[in-house]
Amino acid sequence: GQSLEQPSEVTAVEGAIVQINCTYQTSGFYGLSWYQQHDGGAPTFLSYNALDGLEETGRFSSFLSRSDSYGYLLLQELQMKDSASYFCAVRNSGYALNFGKGTSLLVTP
Amino acid sequence: DADVTQTPRNRITKTGKRIMLECSQTKGHDRMYWYRQDPGLGLRLIYYSFDVKDINKGEISDGYSVSRQAQAKFSLSLESAIPNQTALYFCATSDPAAETQYFGPGTRLLVL
Repeated sequence: GQSLEQPSEVTAVEGAIVQINCTYQTSGFYGLSWYQQHDGGAPTFLSYNALDGLEETGRFSSFLSRSDSYGYLLLQELQMKDSASYFCAVRNSGYALNFGKGTSLLVTP
Repeated sequence: DADVTQTPRNRITKTGKRIMLECSQTKGHDRMYWYRQDPGLGLRLIYYSFDVKDINKGEISDGYSVSRQAQAKFSLSLESAIPNQTALYFCATSDPAAETQYFGPGTRLLVL
């Protein structure tokens, strides 16, 4: 089976940097994805890591360590609009995704 | 126009009723998925399909069935709805050449 662990809630101040961690256990691993979901909305893709290291996309970066079964999403220069839920997800060999339970990020003024 | 659409957007039904949720996409993707989302539980995979002739069960397929009528259409049915199927349901598509899944706007289902 597969399991993913991420913090349920994180609070940070506007303009700051926040890191959301994700650890996973899986019988087959092909990559770690991150999705953002605003309240009541559809999840939207943020990033994907198949190999170890850091991937940067604007203010967002994602990191993966396959040997540690660990990854994180780094959000820089936080804005109020970044308040949302963030999900890590593991892709198995079948191209289906297994999602973590999500981290609710609250950005305060 | 939205690339992935779901109908209805909201539905209230009674226990024991059969209900169908529909998903259509204009992205030209072969792969389509149905997820349900419950508060605090994230997204859980119900069924997925890699082409019209391919249907696969996901993590929580009991009580659900699906039909892939065409490349662009993937329907989810609850044969006999029960209250614990009250949830937010999402359809998604993906391109085999990319890792991104594209989600529809969701259907809020309430089973009384």
